[in-house]
Amino acid sequence: ELQLVESGGGLVQPGGSLRLSCAASGFTFSSYWMHWVRQSPGKGLVWVSRITSDGSSTTYADSVKGRFTISRDNAKNTLYLQMSSLRAEDTAVYYCARVPAAGKGYFDYWGQGTLVTVSS
Amino acid sequence: QSVLTQPPSVSAAPGQKVTISCSGSNSNIGNNYVSWYQQLPGSAPKLLIYDNNKRPSGIPDRFSGSKSGTSAILGITGLQTGDEADYYCGAWDGSLSSVVFGGGTKLTVL
Repeated sequence: ELQLVESGGGLVQPGGSLRLSCAASGFTFSSYWMHWVRQSPGKGLVWVSRITSDGSSTTYADSVKGRFTISRDNAKNTLYLQMSSLRAEDTAVYYCARVPAAGKGYFDYWGQGTLVTVSS
Repeated sequence: QSVLTQPPSVSAAPGQKVTISCSGSNSNIGNNYVSWYQQLPGSAPKLLIYDNNKRPSGIPDRFSGSKSGTSAILGITGLQTGDEADYYCGAWDGSLSSVVFGGGTKLTVL
């Protein structure tokens, strides 16, 4: 069974850092581009970042560029999101999501999400 | 503000049909495929429609999608109380080089 399981969320103070993980199983992780999408409480979905299957190329939303870093360890079947200089507006549930083929603009599988709360 | 525009809410009675619209521009819907997601309360989004009108395995044919120009529509027939959820449209945006979503539409089955 295909699974994406996020972890690493929690409460962090403004200006702090956090690293999210997304453990993949049930498919050949190294063959797929992966994304992070977030959802602030009571709000809609917002795309955050994308990484190619081999990790050679990454893209970020303007709102997180320079503060967040997406990466992956294909040997560990794990996707990461390193978040720094966190702001209150980064408070959200963070989902990792898979695209079914390189360059596709939709997500066929999503994790259950991990909540990040930025507050003093 | 979301790049794609959806109505905040729609409602219909059980067994009836409802449509949800999604409006964008040439940089997204006009030149790229549209996808739709269902988000049940407290759950992660789930893919309903991809490439404008295709259904993943396991999605009933009560759900359909269409696209015309810079707009798309999600249709749901034979409404069930279990269809109560938030629905989001999405598309690649070539100008932003990112996936963009609508603000979501809350479906109430009366």
